[in-house]
Formats: sequence, structure tokens, C-alpha cells
Amino acid sequence: RKEVEQDPGPFNVPEGATVAFNCTYSNSASQSFFWYRQDCRKEPKLLMSVYSSGNEDGRFTAQLNRASQYISLLIRDSKLSDSATYLCVVNGRNTGFQKLVFGTGTRLLVSP
Amino acid sequence: GAVVSQHPSWVICKSGTSVKIECRSLDFQATTMFWYRQFPKQSLMLMATSNEGSKATYEQGVEKDKFLINHASLTLSTLTVTSAHPEDSSFYICSARDNLRQISNQPQHFGDGTRLSIL
Repeated sequence: RKEVEQDPGPFNVPEGATVAFNCTYSNSASQSFFWYRQDCRKEPKLLMSVYSSGNEDGRFTAQLNRASQYISLLIRDSKLSDSATYLCVVNGRNTGFQKLVFGTGTRLLVSP
Repeated sequence: GAVVSQHPSWVICKSGTSVKIECRSLDFQATTMFWYRQFPKQSLMLMATSNEGSKATYEQGVEKDKFLINHASLTLSTLTVTSAHPEDSSFYICSARDNLRQISNQPQHFGDGTRLSIL
């Protein structure tokens, strides 16, 4: 079983739609959780951290459910520029804070 | 903000060539840098953790004699792919962590990546 699992998609949505991505992780000892965004042939860029209390940044909302080992990302009012691959990332097993484990990513395509 | 520079961004070379990729932290000191590899439609896979002044720590399945890592200063780590073959063609990305500031919401800063194509 992969340490971090995501639906690869693609998710095809029209502009203005609300879309949600899910992610599960296998290591119950994981302490840090993140969503990264990766554009085609580019490096990943941090979108937001994920906390148990949930956090919101503009149109983006992230949630963490430690009991279910489940992370979500909600994007409201989708823009064309949101088209990208969204990577779920957790810190790795027995490695403390530094080592990150990436999911394969969920691809989002926003159309006019 | 913190920036990590990676060079070169694109390499095309013949099979058997050795290729060196540089990763520099531009405005912070990084005692630890990370090297990842990403094949098409796959996730980033950590290859090794580069530690300044000591040997790198390689992940299981990564050949240390093929992927040579040198982290001679607090701002520079290099990855050398020795005797590269077509199966080594991939997207290689480095990252660094600002250990001094330890900003929890920015765990690692990534370089732009190097696209390696071996003919």
C-alpha cells in the first residue's frame, strides 16, 4: 500500500465550479500535512498546510481528519489558472519533520 | 523569500555520459538538501538526503555509486548521475530546508528541476 494515496483524476470542471480532492495516508505517526500544486514540467509549489482545525486561504479550504487519516482540499469558484496537479504531502515515517512523502497527485482541468 | 536555484534546467546527452546537477540555496544556509526524481505521471520520489559535511543518506533502491551526492558547503549540493542510460531519463528536483528559521508552513523550498534526457 502506498504511503499517500490520491485519485489521479483528471477532474474536468467548468469555471466557477467547486471541486474537492481527497487523500489518505497510511502512517498514523505523520505530523505534518500539506497540499502542493505542480504545473506541467515545473517544480511543486506549496499551496497550503493542513491542520486538524481546518484552514482556509481565499478560495481554498483544507481539512485533516487524523482518526480516518484523511486529508481534503476544496476549491471554490474555480479559475482557469487553477488547472494543475495537486499533490498531497505528508512527513515520512520515523523521520521527524524533514522527509516528505508525496502522493501521485490529482489532476484538475478547469474549462471555460 | 527563500530561493533555491537548480542548474541546468534541461540536459540532453548520450548514453554513458555523466551528468552533474547543482542545487544552491540563494539566501539561506541549508545543512540538509533533498534530491527527488519524478517519472511521467508519477509522484516525486525521494532519492537521497544530502547532509553538509557528511555522507548522503540514500533511500532504499537508489544506487549510491550511480547517483553521487556532494554537499560541500551550506549552500551547494550536487548530484552526479554517472554513466547515465536512457532509463535514467527523468525530472530531477532538489529542495532545501531553512534550518535556521524552521518555518513550519514552508517545509522545503524546491528548485526549478532538471529535465534529463539520455539518448
